[in-house]
Amino acid sequence: EDQVTQSPEALRLQEGESSSLNCSYTVSGLRGLFWYRQDPGKGPEFLFTLYSAGEEKEKERLKATLTKKESFLHITAPKPEDSATYLCAVWEGGSEKLVFGKGTKLTVNP
Amino acid sequence: NAGVTQTPKFQVLKTGQSMTLQCAQDMNHNSMYWYRQDPGMGLRLIYYSASEGTTDKGEVPNGYNVSRLNKREFSLRLESAAPSQTSVYFCASSDLGRRGEQYFGPGTRLTVT
Repeated sequence: EDQVTQSPEALRLQEGESSSLNCSYTVSGLRGLFWYRQDPGKGPEFLFTLYSAGEEKEKERLKATLTKKESFLHITAPKPEDSATYLCAVWEGGSEKLVFGKGTKLTVNP
Repeated sequence: NAGVTQTPKFQVLKTGQSMTLQCAQDMNHNSMYWYRQDPGMGLRLIYYSASEGTTDKGEVPNGYNVSRLNKREFSLRLESAAPSQTSVYFCASSDLGRRGEQYFGPGTRLTVT
């Protein structure tokens, strides 16, 4: 069973059409949940860290939120340049490593 | 400030050949990591080095070895390449106290025929 599950696998939006990406996790003792953005042919780029339920972080058109079982990445009025794969990762208590989800590929059409 | 650099960018090997992937970071980070990324599998940790002088296995270490040469450099070696090692390899680094906030290199695309 995957510890980190992202949905949907792919999402197509029109420019300006707001939506949310989901990341659910099953680890115990969460020490942090992390969002990354990956453009084609490039390495992932760190976006946000969330540590506890109720926490929110914002950056431009992106807002990440965290509950006890999942995180959402809300995209408000997206632009074509927001097109990328968004990766979620968790750090479990007692672990020495990040566990990544498989990502959501977002395409924003002009 | 280059961040994390990786060489080479592309490589084609024949089965059984060996090679070393190089990684360097200039952010004075203590921790460094090697991942592989395959379609449908996501990013998987191969090896990591929490601090200079230490290395540990990740999720998929078989067929690989690593060397933490100094604080800046962390190399990944394939002793006898296999087609199953065809993948994109990423190196990353982080501060010791913020290990989930990792900074990735541009990747090496490796094909083993």
